[in-house]
Amino acid sequence: SAVISQKPSRDICQRGTSLTIQCQVDSQVTMMFWYRQQPGQSLTLIATANQGSEATYESGFVIDKFPISRPNLTFSTLTVSNMSPEDSSIYLCSVVLGNTIYFGEGSWLTVV
Amino acid sequence: DQQVKQNSPSLSVQEGRISILNCDYTNSMFDYFLWYKKYPAEGPTFLISISSIKDKNEDGRFTVFLNKSAKHLSLHIVPSQPGDSAVYFCAASVGGGADGLTFGKGTHLIIQP
Repeated sequence: SAVISQKPSRDICQRGTSLTIQCQVDSQVTMMFWYRQQPGQSLTLIATANQGSEATYESGFVIDKFPISRPNLTFSTLTVSNMSPEDSSIYLCSVVLGNTIYFGEGSWLTVV
Repeated sequence: DQQVKQNSPSLSVQEGRISILNCDYTNSMFDYFLWYKKYPAEGPTFLISISSIKDKNEDGRFTVFLNKSAKHLSLHIVPSQPGDSAVYFCAASVGGGADGLTFGKGTHLIIQP
């Protein structure tokens, strides 16, 4: 299995500010993803974090709002830019290892 | 349009009995299905998966059944235990997960003593 650490685990952010979430994996992984779970909703894929190249974003998500870095095979960051209350969510990092997809504990952001 | 649907927001089952959680999907390209369990304030934990070439996969108390013609899968937990109380998410993917997962909205399973 994979151990995935996310920082911060929880934060309260001011409207208009940006926050960067870090994801560290204890194994080298090729596939790394970022998801969001808004209150009462399902998990939604934001983007695939590609090592050494630009992230691939899903419909409804753009790089200017959610810039992603993937400098190596064990680490990625997701920035939530110019936050509004609608960005209050759990943000989850996910990796593929073998035939299984693992998730981090999540970063719970509340925008006030 | 939701491609993965869990139509029961909650399910209450007596301890020791069987819990059956259902999931329907619309995208016939999905070829890999997974179930996750999520406790409050924690990330989803992988439970069990099934490839579209199979119709059943079993792991201990957990069994997943896949009916491709009906585009339906179910998770059976037997016997149900108090620690099974959690939200269960059904997820599906194309290409074995390489393109990420599409999740249902989850079913809150409550195991009653």
